Amino acid sequence: RKEVEQDPGPFNVPEGATVAFNCTYSNSASQSFFWYRQDCRKEPKLLMSVYSSGNEDGRFTAQLNRASQYISLLIRDSKLSDSATYLCVVSLYSSASKIIFGSGTRLSIRP
Amino acid sequence: GAGVSQSPSNKVTEKGKDVELRCDPISGHTALYWYRQSLGQGLEFLIYFQGNSAPDKSGLPSDRFSAERTGGSVSTLTIQRTQQEDSAVYLCASSLEMLTDTEAFFGQGTRLTVV
Repeated sequence: RKEVEQDPGPFNVPEGATVAFNCTYSNSASQSFFWYRQDCRKEPKLLMSVYSSGNEDGRFTAQLNRASQYISLLIRDSKLSDSATYLCVVSLYSSASKIIFGSGTRLSIRP
Repeated sequence: GAGVSQSPSNKVTEKGKDVELRCDPISGHTALYWYRQSLGQGLEFLIYFQGNSAPDKSGLPSDRFSAERTGGSVSTLTIQRTQQEDSAVYLCASSLEMLTDTEAFFGQGTRLTVV
């Protein structure tokens, strides 16, 4: 079983729609959680951290469910510019921190 | 600039040749990661360096792959006797070692094509 699993998609939704992605992780000792965004042929960049209490950044909402070991990303009022691959990222801390990337969910917003 | 720098940005090599890829992390970042990404695929973890600790090499796909990090800064990833399946984008990332908030910053990658 992969340490971090995501639905690869692609998700193809119309502009203005709300779309949600889930990501599951296998290690209950995971400490920190993030969503990264990767545009086509570009490097991944941090979109937002995911906090236990949930957090919102404009149209983006991230939530963490430790009991079920999943995190989610909700995008409201989607824009064409939201088209990208969204990577779920989990950080472990044992003797040293380690960042594990999911393989990503592809999102395509159509006009 | 202050970001992660990788070189070369593109590399075309003949099957069987050795290649070296270089990564300059952000100054002060103790953690350094190598990933590779094949076309349309997710990130595949290769190797992780953290300070003076022994590197985590668990992701290296074969003994043709090796990496080192000199002086806790610059890292080189070496692929010996390259094969066509090695063709991918090789991404380097660095991060601060922090207990909770560990953002990783990526370089723009080296696109390796083995012909």
